[in-house]
Amino acid sequence: KQEVTQIPAALSVPEGENLVLNCSFTDSAIYNLQWFRQDPGKGLTSLLLIQSSQREQTSGRLNASLDKSSGRSTLYIAASQPGDSATYLCALLSGSARQLTFGSGTQLTVLP
Amino acid sequence: DAGITQSPRHKVTETGTPVTLRCHQTENHRYMYWYRQDPGHGLRLIHYSYGVKDTDKGEVSDGYSVSRSKTEDFLLTLESATSSQTSVYFCAIRGTEGTYEQYFGPGTRLTVT
Repeated sequence: KQEVTQIPAALSVPEGENLVLNCSFTDSAIYNLQWFRQDPGKGLTSLLLIQSSQREQTSGRLNASLDKSSGRSTLYIAASQPGDSATYLCALLSGSARQLTFGSGTQLTVLP
Repeated sequence: DAGITQSPRHKVTETGTPVTLRCHQTENHRYMYWYRQDPGHGLRLIHYSYGVKDTDKGEVSDGYSVSRSKTEDFLLTLESATSSQTSVYFCAIRGTEGTYEQYFGPGTRLTVT
């Protein structure tokens, strides 16, 4: 069974800092990996999707990488802003199932 | 937002009553999903559908049933609500064929008293 871990559970940084969020998983047989953002009381917003055959994806100040051999993904946020404050979730679509398996998330606070 | 709406957005109900949550999409996507989100458990799949009248169970399907009579609507029913089903329920669709990217609705907060 796929298990997904996100460390740290919470992170607080000053505005302007570059930061990295981590996601690790136990089963490397995956279709893809998605990073989501969730604001309090809201739904999930898809940020980036990395296909199994890809190593990284970029969107604006966000860069996500995937290393299947080590079972790890990182989400890099450049020049953080208070508006980036949210919970960030990674989720994997494993090859043996049609469902996403989610990590428990990292709650990010960017201080002005 | 991939044209996904959920109704109701908030509901309070009593133990033992039936409850139906509705997910509606406007873009003719084939795959639809119901998840629940709970502190300490994250998001977990309840049921999913891969076409009209085609559904299957997810990780936490006990106590829930689903129906999909039209492409655009996916209904989640709690036949007899229990306090353990107090949660936030999210509907999702699978987008562009081949990427399997999922998009989520705004959620329904259900409280069972």
